[in-house]
Amino acid sequence: GNSVTQMEGPVTLSEEAFLTINCTYTATGYPSLFWYVQYPGEGLQLLLKATKADDKGSNKGFEATYRKETTSFHLEKGSVQVSDSAVYFCALSGLSGNEKLTFGTGTRLTIIP
Amino acid sequence: GAVVSQHPSWVICKSGTSVKIECRSLDFQATTMFWYRQFPKQSLMLMATSNEGSKATYEQGVEKDKFLINHASLTLSTLTVTSAHPEDSSFYICSAAASGTGLTEQYFGPGTRLTVT
Repeated sequence: GNSVTQMEGPVTLSEEAFLTINCTYTATGYPSLFWYVQYPGEGLQLLLKATKADDKGSNKGFEATYRKETTSFHLEKGSVQVSDSAVYFCALSGLSGNEKLTFGTGTRLTIIP
Repeated sequence: GAVVSQHPSWVICKSGTSVKIECRSLDFQATTMFWYRQFPKQSLMLMATSNEGSKATYEQGVEKDKFLINHASLTLSTLTVTSAHPEDSSFYICSAAASGTGLTEQYFGPGTRLTVT
């Protein structure tokens, strides 16, 4: 079955540091890959996605590249801000939005000024 | 666009009572809705998938008689936790997806925090 393995947290960084959160997956076929963010007290929001190999998703300074050869979708940001403090979830699904999502365990990120 | 609401945002109930949680797609028709459960500091666990007008498909280990799901219209799905117990206390999140509209992802509600005393 499908599975997502995500870097365990919590992760604490200083403001303006470089961020990487690792995510690898196991899936049959060619899944779509997602990063969701959950800010304190809020629901999940889609941060970025990629639907095929070598696609790069980007949003709000975050990037992730769909690497089929390494089955990875690592999240990166060059300079984090305090407002990036949140829980980040890597997920995969089939191409259609009607297919269920398989989530990683989430990584709690705290940015200190 | 593509907003999903949940009601209530939080609820406290006594053990043995039932609680209904609503999930609405506000500006699109959701052919499929998903219900998740999230334990503190853990990931989302899919409970069930519901398609409008048909019975929900429950994930393995989820009691269908305890967690009743109804997707009566293209904009509303409800989750009823029957005979709630303290171990049912959790954060319940719904998501909605549409097909044939150009919306190719799931949109999540803000969640409902259930506390059973």
